[in-house]
Amino acid sequence: DAGVTQSPTHLIKTRGQHVTLRCSPISGHKSVSWYQQVLGQGPQFIFQYYEKEERGRGNFPDRFSARQFPNYSSELNVNALLLGDSALYLCASSGGGATDTQYFGPGTRLTVL
Amino acid sequence: GENVEQHPSTLSVQEGDSAVIKCTYSDSASNYFPWYKQELGKGPQLIIDIRSNVGEKKDQRIAVTLNKTAKHFSLHITETQPEDSAVYFCAARAYYGQNFVFGPGTRLSVLP
Repeated sequence: DAGVTQSPTHLIKTRGQHVTLRCSPISGHKSVSWYQQVLGQGPQFIFQYYEKEERGRGNFPDRFSARQFPNYSSELNVNALLLGDSALYLCASSGGGATDTQYFGPGTRLTVL
Repeated sequence: GENVEQHPSTLSVQEGDSAVIKCTYSDSASNYFPWYKQELGKGPQLIIDIRSNVGEKKDQRIAVTLNKTAKHFSLHITETQPEDSAVYFCAARAYYGQNFVFGPGTRLSVLP
């Protein structure tokens, strides 16, 4: 079975632009979480979705939004990009059941110039 | 909220030696503790996890121990190999559905 997939792999944007990142979870998984990982740091939680409903939100500004589709894939949107948004954006998939173990995708490297 | 500290930030060992990475957490309600390995240019890979109802778990050369009283858990890698070189992250979660809080990471270098 395929693991978590993310697209695109790399992305370069300029300040003020908007970006959409995409994630497909492991087949059968119903929960998707998004994390931001700045170089040299651990992942920071942004959002979690389960069965298309937002389950949790981290301490990120309203410029960050997300949604989950009926097939459980997900999009992360970031508006009005800032230089500080440059990071690796990780998607993690989990079954949503009691074990809730999260499996990460390869990430999308976003560079804001 | 939960806060996870991780030590050391960098660790160099000779091939064949053991490596130990320690994490402490602040929320006594945390009950699930995974460890991830991240290689350059890749996403974190789950290598082992432990739940609060057990004190130790082992998988071949990798083991994790948990001390709930002291609120710390440790990753032990025995007979290290060059391919163990990577950044290792610990994480904690208080209850099902809550987000994970990650430590800042440990860069492990295994010298041949």
